[in-house]
Amino acid sequence: QKEVEQNSGPLSVPEGAIASLNCTYSDRGSQSFFWYRQYSGKSPELIMSIYSNGDKEDGRFTAQLNKASQYVSLLIRDSQPSDSATYLCAVQGGKLIFGQGTELSVKP
Amino acid sequence: EAGVAQSPRYKIIEKRQSVAFWCNPISGHATLYWYQQILGQGPKLLIQFQNNGVVDDSQLPKDRFSAERLKGVDSTLKIQPAKLEDSAVYLCASTSDLLNTEAFFGQGTRLTVV
Repeated sequence: QKEVEQNSGPLSVPEGAIASLNCTYSDRGSQSFFWYRQYSGKSPELIMSIYSNGDKEDGRFTAQLNKASQYVSLLIRDSQPSDSATYLCAVQGGKLIFGQGTELSVKP
Repeated sequence: EAGVAQSPRYKIIEKRQSVAFWCNPISGHATLYWYQQILGQGPKLLIQFQNNGVVDDSQLPKDRFSAERLKGVDSTLKIQPAKLEDSAVYLCASTSDLLNTEAFFGQGTRLTVV
């Protein structure tokens, strides 16, 4: 079992739609959860962090955490072509582990 | 605030040669990570330092890879000898604490082994 697993892509959504990205993790002791965005040829950049169960909203982005189900998700509302990138889920216990990434394509 | 600095940006070497990458984290950041990112995959943790001590190096191929962070500041990752499958982007990241703070990434070093 992979430590951090994301839904396989690529995910294609039309402009203005909601994009839903999912992630599960294996270490129940994990305490911090992050979503990074990575454009092609660039380094990952943080877009959301979440530390407690529930939802956290920041502009068009909403992160959801369910520690009992070991599940993290990211919703992107009103998706824009500029959101087209690979989204990486990262989970931190004693070390920071990344999933394999989900490629998102937003079509105009 | 200056970001994480990495050098070189690009490196092309022949298999069996050696190569070294350098990383200078954000000032004051105690935790430093080295990741290997193969095209189309997520970053794979190679080694994690807390100050100048190793927290985790379970995924580091120790027969050919080595890393050090002697004074708890900058770090060097070395590969000797390189193999074709080492072709990847090597990312350095740092955080101010072990938990609950984001990791900031450098621009990475793209290594091509031919």
